[in-house]
Amino acid sequence: AQRVTQPEKLLSVFKGAPVELKCNYSYSGSPELFWYVQYSRQRLQLLLRHISRESIKGFTADLNKGETSFHLKKPFAQEEDSAMYYCAPRLGDYKLSFGAGTTVTVRA
Amino acid sequence: DTGVSQNPRHKITKRGQNVTFRCDPISEHNRLYWYRQTLGQGPEFLTYFQNEAQLEKSRLLSDRFSAERPKGSFSTLEIQRTEQGDSAMYLCASSQRALVGGYEQYFGPGTRLTVT
Repeated sequence: AQRVTQPEKLLSVFKGAPVELKCNYSYSGSPELFWYVQYSRQRLQLLLRHISRESIKGFTADLNKGETSFHLKKPFAQEEDSAMYYCAPRLGDYKLSFGAGTTVTVRA
Repeated sequence: DTGVSQNPRHKITKRGQNVTFRCDPISEHNRLYWYRQTLGQGPEFLTYFQNEAQLEKSRLLSDRFSAERPKGSFSTLEIQRTEQGDSAMYLCASSQRALVGGYEQYFGPGTRLTVT
């Protein structure tokens, strides 16, 4: 079955500490992979996509095709990183398939 | 044009009533998507339009659901004979081809439906 798994529902870290959000996917073919973020009272927005290999707001994501993982990392978490994060493989050129999400809380 | 807009933002209805939601995409975007999000879950794909053509419907979209995009601009999602299980956040997104990496989807704020 095709699915995406984010094993951590909640993640709490201290400001300045590293944070890693895990994402594992199980899809045939080679989906394009995205991370979306939703800050409090804001709409869902794209954080980064693996194909562009960018670092956005200090976040990076490494695609490991062997392990079918796309973990999101940031070396030094900031309070403004507190949000809900969704891993989302895209099948074909339009359909996003979201994980259940990880709520990140960064404590001062 | 400040982004994807959705109306209404909240809708409370009684079981058995019909409801209709509207989505206005970013003006130059030719693709439009509907997703549904229930508590504790990520958004789930419902349907997708390219211009006015509805190209895919998820199995989640029962016969009580219908979506239209009559002129390739705004879209409506109608739910007939609502059930309590229809209570969810309904999200709309739009996209066009990006220069790198394909289509980035921009999301609206959602319509929260509560069926009592």
